[in-house]
Amino acid sequence: GAGVSQSPRYKVAKRGQDVALRCDPISGHVSLFWYQQALGQGPEFLTYFQNEAQLDKSGLPSDRFFAERPEGSVSTLKIQRTQQEDSAVYLCASTYRWGPGGELFFGEGSRLTVL
Amino acid sequence: QQQVKQSPQSLIVQKGGISIINCAYENTAFDYFPWYQQFPGKGPALLIAIRPDVSEKKEGRFTISFNKSAKQFSLHIMDSQPGDSATYFCAASTLSAGAQKLVFGQGTRLTINP
Repeated sequence: GAGVSQSPRYKVAKRGQDVALRCDPISGHVSLFWYQQALGQGPEFLTYFQNEAQLDKSGLPSDRFFAERPEGSVSTLKIQRTQQEDSAVYLCASTYRWGPGGELFFGEGSRLTVL
Repeated sequence: QQQVKQSPQSLIVQKGGISIINCAYENTAFDYFPWYQQFPGKGPALLIAIRPDVSEKKEGRFTISFNKSAKQFSLHIMDSQPGDSATYFCAASTLSAGAQKLVFGQGTRLTINP
């Protein structure tokens, strides 16, 4: 089947605009993660869902960042009042397994550029 | 804070040579150590992973060596090929809220010259 799908692939926003990034995980995957990858850096954890429950949001950089997964499938990462430092690739990943050892499957990411 | 340190930042190897990338970690609670490969414009993909109860794991041309006492682990790519040219990330994790939450290194850009 299809892999993790993210949209849009590229988004340019003016500073202060709100953006929404969508993630369609692999069907049946109960766990979903969001990571932020700055240019030339490794991905950094933002938040994690098990089904519709957001169990860890410790990596969200500010209260301008909000994530949801209302039906336990598609997830949306919303960034309000974007700032230049929000420019990065936002990666979504999912795994079929809750707990240790589940391989994370990453999407291709949404590249956000804030002008 | 930087919990996983990766070196070198970039590496150039001749075709057929051995590529070696090193990582060091601080948190002794980490219990899962994967390596990811990322091509430009793509998401990271799992290459190979190890748990701290073994010192080495080999899958084809890829080997992880793990030194628990030194808190270090490394990736060896034997017979390196131009198709191996990519960015490689080490990572470490422990269970948090039921999830294997990964902490990534800064990445190594590997170039294999033909």
